[in-house]
This record gives sequence, structure tokens and C-alpha cells, in this order.
Amino acid sequence: DVKVTQSSRYLVKRTGEKVFLECVQDMDHENMFWYRQDPGLGLRLIYFSYDVKMKEKGDIPEGYSVSREKKERFSLILESASTNQTSMYLCASSLVGGRKLFFGSGTQLSVL
Amino acid sequence: DQQVKQNSPSLSVQEGRISILNCDYTNSMFDYFLWYKKYPAEGPTFLISISSIKDKNEDGRFTVFLNKSAKHLSLHIVPSQPGDSAVYFCAASDYSGGGADGLTFGKGTHLIIQP
Repeated sequence: DVKVTQSSRYLVKRTGEKVFLECVQDMDHENMFWYRQDPGLGLRLIYFSYDVKMKEKGDIPEGYSVSREKKERFSLILESASTNQTSMYLCASSLVGGRKLFFGSGTQLSVL
Repeated sequence: DQQVKQNSPSLSVQEGRISILNCDYTNSMFDYFLWYKKYPAEGPTFLISISSIKDKNEDGRFTVFLNKSAKHLSLHIVPSQPGDSAVYFCAASDYSGGGADGLTFGKGTHLIIQP
């Protein structure tokens, strides 16, 4: 069965901390994505990657960076967390040429 | 600039009746549309999709209709059940990216099924 695993369900961090959100997929998918979901704003794309070591900015990349050293793993990095980055973060993956995204369970991040 | 719009933040429907969720889009390059369902504290799960070469797709209780000229799609759930209570996201894919650049999502509609 298709599986996208996010390392933490809930995280609480302090302003200014460096935060790593990890995502692993076991489906051998080429494409991986990071979205954030906020009430009333839907899902917004932060970064995506179509291959190892490749990354592209999405709609709201400011304040974030990503790393994809292995095909199955896509990490989201908050260099210096701020309160406006409190959100639900969702990782997803898809096959090359595929339109359907498979999502992880999400990480609810609170920045205090 | 919102390219996928779900204008109803919430919708309340009685159990057993039909639920109709609407979605409008503005980008003519969208050629594939999906609906996702999301429960609180969980990731979205795929529900149903439709290609722009079709105007209807059915899967059990779920049917999606696409009106390309109006740039409008709708999701029908018949009959509605309590487990259908969730947030529903409409999403669209641009053919130029081939799927590699992800989906554009609407803001979601919170469907509440009343007993």
C-alpha cells in the first residue's frame, strides 16, 4: 500500500529555532512536495522536487528551504522559525507524469 | 490571484440527501481535476478525478461533473452519510508541468452531514 510518512505529528518550537521536517515515501515516486494548510487558505505549495538534488520553488517559498539527497526522502527546513510559520505541513509524492498526489498524515507545527 | 475557487466555506446537508460541492477555476491550462477529502489532523486522501476530455466521472456514491466552457466542476455525493463529514478540496493540474509541479488547491468546503 502507498505510504508517505512524516516523522512528527506534532511539534512545538521557539521563535528563531532551526526546524527540520522529514518526509519519507516508499513508493519509488520521483516527485515530492511540501504544502502548508491554514484555515481559510487551503493548501499552498512551498517547494517541490522532481528528482534527487533537484528543487523548485512553489508559491510561498520565503522562509523555507528543502533538501532531497535520496529519492525517498524530502526534508523541509525552517532556517529561523517565526510565529507566522505555525501551520499544518503536508508532504506528498507522485509518479513522474502522474497527477494524483499521495499525502502523509501531516505535521502540526506550533512556533511560540 | 486565486486560480481555483471554492466559494462555500461550509455546507450542511441532511443524512441520506445529496451533497453538491462546487468549484470554479480561471486557468485555461488546467486539464485534470481532483477532489480530496480531509479529516482533522490527517492528510488529504484522494476521492475522485476527471480529465478535461470528459464531462462526468462516477465512482460509487461520488460523481464529478466538469463544465469546461463555464470553467466549473462539481462533486455530487449520493446518498450523504455521516462519515462524509470532512473538508473537501478541489484541485487542478496544469498540463504544461506534466504533474511535476503539483496541484493547485481551492480553500476547501467543510461538509457537515446532519443526522
